[in-house]
Amino acid sequence: ETGVTQTPRHLVMGMTNKKSLKCEQHLGHNAMYWYKQSAKKPLELMFVYSLEERVENNSVPSRFSPECPNSSHLFLHLHTLQPEDSALYLCASSLTFWSGGSYEQYFGPGTRLTVT
Amino acid sequence: SQQGEEDPQALSIQEGENATMNCSYKTSINNLQWYRQNSGRGLVHLILIRSNEREKHSGRLRVTLDTSKKSSSLLITASRAADTASYFCATDAKETSGSRLTFGEGTQLTVNP
Repeated sequence: ETGVTQTPRHLVMGMTNKKSLKCEQHLGHNAMYWYKQSAKKPLELMFVYSLEERVENNSVPSRFSPECPNSSHLFLHLHTLQPEDSALYLCASSLTFWSGGSYEQYFGPGTRLTVT
Repeated sequence: SQQGEEDPQALSIQEGENATMNCSYKTSINNLQWYRQNSGRGLVHLILIRSNEREKHSGRLRVTLDTSKKSSSLLITASRAADTASYFCATDAKETSGSRLTFGEGTQLTVNP
């Protein structure tokens, strides 16, 4: 257990559905991240939050909408997705984002998303 | 350009043998990290090496960093079947503000019992 949980672990949704992915960290970290992992591709950083403020949005389509109500919780709201959005979505946290130091990231187990 | 390209893409060895994986990157870095991922699961942090360090050990893991060649290697000694996983290097680039990791495509390691 890394101290980062994600729900659901598996999700199948149609292109017209709306669903949300949830991430929770129990580590007291200040930074949280969403990554997308597709087959045969490196992890893609989607969003970064530092102390509930979004500090990174890597040209992610608007059908993905993140929310960080507090430093322990992170959501990814999904709507009108495309089949190519099927992937493993990983949440991670780290002690801080702006320190200029070097900190490892702690990952959740991921949500396997299939868009039909 | 892509940071953190691992080599080889796949490696198959026998239990007890050593496994070496390499990572190359393109820009100046603050640090380089290695992660492990079991199939379909989240990543687990293994080791972090700072740009001013040349070698680091953790248990059966040994990581080297050569900033002049922009490369790193991960050595797993006396491998076990449980080491079977994908291994990723990730770089924290010096040129960007904040701590962002750029991951490579990974090396799939299979350790045969």
